[in-house]
Amino acid sequence: DVKVTQSSRYLVKRTGEKVFLECVQDMDHENMFWYRQDPGLGLRLIYFSYDVKMKEKGDIPEGYSVSREKKERFSLILESASTNQTSMYLCASRGRENNEQFFGPGTRLTVL
Amino acid sequence: SQQGEEDPQALSIQEGENATMNCSYKTSINNLQWYRQNSGRGLVHLILIRSNEREKHSGRLRVTLDTSKKSSSLLITASRAADTASYFCHVSGTYKYIFGTGTRLKVLA
Repeated sequence: DVKVTQSSRYLVKRTGEKVFLECVQDMDHENMFWYRQDPGLGLRLIYFSYDVKMKEKGDIPEGYSVSREKKERFSLILESASTNQTSMYLCASRGRENNEQFFGPGTRLTVL
Repeated sequence: SQQGEEDPQALSIQEGENATMNCSYKTSINNLQWYRQNSGRGLVHLILIRSNEREKHSGRLRVTLDTSKKSSSLLITASRAADTASYFCHVSGTYKYIFGTGTRLKVLA
């Protein structure tokens, strides 16, 4: 059974903290994605990666960075969390030949 | 904005009825997909239609695509209470991955 896991389901942080969100997939997928989901705005792409150590900016990369040191792991980093980064964060992966994205369960981040 | 847009934003129907939701997008695409999200969870892939296809079926799902109008529709026939969820369209092109804003479907038993 294919699986994408995220390190936390719920996370509460304070303004200015450095936050790491981890995503791991066990499908040997080349492509991995980070989205944030907000009411009325749908899913917006933050960053994606098509290979180890490769990264591309999505639509809303400001305030975020990513790291992909190993194929199975894609990390999203908030260098200095702000209240407007309170959101649901969804990770996904996709194989090179298949267009279907497989999603993790999401991390609901609250920044106080 | 590159966002896709679905309409209606919310839809409430009785069990057994059909549900239709629409998606419009702005960019050129390779394919269009529909995903489903149960409350507060990750998304699950439902169906994919390629840009050179006009209609596709999968079980109780029927998807149409009109690339000239940059629009798609998802029809769920004979709806069930378990179909209650949010539905998102997703378009992809070269290094483009765009989700719509979603339709919240509620099926009443």
